[in-house]
Amino acid sequence: ETGVTQTPRHLVMGMTNKKSLKCEQHLGHNAMYWYKQSAKKPLELMFVYNFKEQTENNSVPSRFSPECPNSSHLFLHLHTLQPEDSALYLCASSHDYRGNGYGYTFGSGTRLTVV
Amino acid sequence: ELKVEQNPLFLSMQEGKNYTIYCNYSTTSDRLYWYRQDPGKSLESLFVLLSNGAVKQEGRLMASLDTKARLSTLHITAAVHDLSATYFCAVEFSGYALNFGKGTSLLVTP
Repeated sequence: ETGVTQTPRHLVMGMTNKKSLKCEQHLGHNAMYWYKQSAKKPLELMFVYNFKEQTENNSVPSRFSPECPNSSHLFLHLHTLQPEDSALYLCASSHDYRGNGYGYTFGSGTRLTVV
Repeated sequence: ELKVEQNPLFLSMQEGKNYTIYCNYSTTSDRLYWYRQDPGKSLESLFVLLSNGAVKQEGRLMASLDTKARLSTLHITAAVHDLSATYFCAVEFSGYALNFGKGTSLLVTP
């Protein structure tokens, strides 16, 4: 356990389904992140939240919708996904947006398969 | 443009050998991180380098940072099979979230 918990660990969904990924941390961090890791591609930053406010959205399609109700919880709502969205989705947290030398703590990820 | 480049991207090495992975970045930064990822698993923090000339060592791995050259190295000494994994460097550019390199897939063979 790294201190960042992601659920579910695995998810298979159809293109018309709606599902949500959950991320939780009790490290006292104020910034949380969603990253996408596809096969043979670098980690792609999707969203950044700092003190519950979204500070970055890296041109992510609207079929991905983040939600951060408080500094400890982060969700990624999924709807009408495409097969190319199949990937490992990683959540991370840090003391604050700029990290300040602490780096990020990553969760174990959700392996998403879109069929 | 903020860029982080690692090389090599793939590395196959024999047990007992030494090798170095390089991480170059495009813009001034004095904060660099190395992570390890095992297949299907998350990223595990290995080293945090926060100043020019910083050197950290853990077991058979040693990381260093040269901020003037915008270069970090991850040196592997006397490799063992357990070191097989993908290694990422990540740079903290001012005002931005961590920017990751593409990763180096390391395979250590007998």
